[in-house]
Amino acid sequence: DSGVTQTPKHLITATGQRVTLRCSPRSGDLSVYWYQQSLDQGLQFLIQYYNGEERAKGNILERFSAQQFPDLHSELNLSSLELGDSALYFCASSVALNAGPSGNTIYFGEGSWLTVV
Amino acid sequence: DAKTTQPNSMESNEEEPVHLPCNHSTISGTDYIHWYRQLPSQGPEYVIHGLTSNVNNRMASLAIAEDRKSSTLILHRATLRDAAVYYCIPVPFFHSGGSNYKLTFGKGTLLTVNP
Repeated sequence: DSGVTQTPKHLITATGQRVTLRCSPRSGDLSVYWYQQSLDQGLQFLIQYYNGEERAKGNILERFSAQQFPDLHSELNLSSLELGDSALYFCASSVALNAGPSGNTIYFGEGSWLTVV
Repeated sequence: DAKTTQPNSMESNEEEPVHLPCNHSTISGTDYIHWYRQLPSQGPEYVIHGLTSNVNNRMASLAIAEDRKSSTLILHRATLRDAAVYYCIPVPFFHSGGSNYKLTFGKGTLLTVNP
């Protein structure tokens, strides 16, 4: 158990719909990351928040958005869903913003399986 | 980001050592080398990291070439539970901070462990 909690674990929805994935980071972790993993694209970094502020953006579509709340939990909102959005979405957290000599391990949750039909 | 090259797949027998290579010839002097692995149906998990010298922890050892253009993750006695995709990831380290730590995953090496 990494300490990162993601809900829901599985979600099936129709094209055009909107869903929200929720993530609770490990206690004390200020940095939250979202990744998407599909069969053809592998693990893709989407976005990172640190203490409520967006800090890095990756291959995140405009239809997707995220936020980190004052209690440090994060939500990933996916709208106007398409079949190609079906994937496993991982949330991860780490203590700090940067990687130092100690490594600043990133801990991943078990993911939310999204199926768009 | 520095590019990495790893074998697509490797196979090992249980209780034998496994050496997983990674080529990172474009690595910069301040990049740490991190290894993560992803077991089936799970999120990635941290294995080990290093900068210049070899590193050991309870999970594995990391051997880094003197020129830092390659590294090898060593599992001393593979178990069935070690079957996973292993990712080698250069991670920039900025002494002054301000850099965002995010992992850029390649395709990794799929390790199969035979009983």
